[in-house]
Amino acid sequence: EADIYQTPRYLVIGTGKKITLECSQTMGHDKMYWYQQDPGMELHLIHYSYGVNSTEKGDLSSESTVSRIRTEHFPLTLESARPSHTSQYLCASSEYERVSGGEQYFGPGTRLTVT
Amino acid sequence: QKEVEQNSGPLSVPEGAIASLNCTYSDRGSQSFFWYRQYSGKSPELIMFIYSNGDKEDGRFTAQLNKASQYVSLLIRDSQPSDSATYLCAVKEPGGSYIPTFGRGTSLIVHP
Repeated sequence: EADIYQTPRYLVIGTGKKITLECSQTMGHDKMYWYQQDPGMELHLIHYSYGVNSTEKGDLSSESTVSRIRTEHFPLTLESARPSHTSQYLCASSEYERVSGGEQYFGPGTRLTVT
Repeated sequence: QKEVEQNSGPLSVPEGAIASLNCTYSDRGSQSFFWYRQYSGKSPELIMFIYSNGDKEDGRFTAQLNKASQYVSLLIRDSQPSDSATYLCAVKEPGGSYIPTFGRGTSLIVHP
């Protein structure tokens, strides 16, 4: 069973605030991902990482930043939250394909509301 | 541009029937195929994955892959109301540097 955690689960915050969404996994997976998903809509990849000190931007233009200082930790930061950032943020991880098929395991998500 | 296409549905089936969910993909180099289930307001959870042409069965779920026709399907036998969810298809090329491409998902409703 996958062990991937996200905090907070729900967050309501005012415009202009800086926020950090936490994601941790205990599986030792090298690859981690952040997705944004609005209700009933498709997943949009916003950031991913191949391992420590590796980060890449995804398909969706985002004003967020990420860091990967430890294998198990992949936080996402919004420097100045705006109402357009209101969405669900999903973190996922996977092993490299040399170990498994590269299937992703998702955390429970953080639902962010910016007022 | 890699594309993964799914009918958004909703697909409505009676309880006990077989639900058939389909997914087509554009990249012939795709090697790994995944099905995820996502309940409303929850995160996706992996149901199964398939790499080889043919069928792969896991309980009530069967994944079918046809690389020549570039489609992958998911069959759910003896559908239950608890199977009502959105089913996401994801496709990936081989190699560690490639990121899965997700379809938009098909909404399945199983009515009693």
